Amino acid sequence: DTEVTQTPKHLVMGMTNKKSLKCEQHMGHRAMYWYKQKAKKPPELMFVYSYEKLSINESVPSRFSPECPNSSLLNLHLHALQPEDSALYLCASSQRHRGNYEQYFGPGTRLTVT
Amino acid sequence: DAKTTQPNSMESNEEEPVHLPCNHSTISGTDYIHWYRQLPSQGPEYVIHGLTSNVNNRMASLAIAEDRKSSTLILHRATLRDAAVYYCILREMNRDDKIIFGKGTRLHILP
Repeated sequence: DTEVTQTPKHLVMGMTNKKSLKCEQHMGHRAMYWYKQKAKKPPELMFVYSYEKLSINESVPSRFSPECPNSSLLNLHLHALQPEDSALYLCASSQRHRGNYEQYFGPGTRLTVT
Repeated sequence: DAKTTQPNSMESNEEEPVHLPCNHSTISGTDYIHWYRQLPSQGPEYVIHGLTSNVNNRMASLAIAEDRKSSTLILHRATLRDAAVYYCILREMNRDDKIIFGKGTRLHILP
């Protein structure tokens, strides 16, 4: 199974809502990632988790709160978002963070903030 | 961060080879060259990577210049399913080892 799953596929939320994005992999990977992708732009790294610990935070605003409850699951909690946060949120995983391990990406959650 | 330069877009005919160029003149000795592609409405997927020697796998070939300042991704026989944005990425193994996506090349395949 080389699949990374993300739920939900689409999410519409108001600026005062709290919601969460979920990502799951069962490949035994110990590194997981969140990326943000605006329309017609390349993905931008947000967070890296290595062995369930936050390894990299690319100066992401605190209204985005990642969580890695176990080695298979990665969440992104959203609170008080702005309309400019509307984007495709991609999750990825790899065997390890460091090294030439390929990253496997999920299909993404398309988020619209109204 | 070392940067890559790719053409914004390219076109190719179906069932013909495609050569996607990438310039990386500031590459350091420890940077690996990775390629990912992103099909419409999907997340990126790994294609191939290399350091100095040319590499082949089931998806593509990677030709790396002797001075490593450029590389070419070769799709030997393009199909309509190869229409995607192709990203050439340098992975800096000695630092945070992050994948930094550049703008990529949008490849159009003509039937």
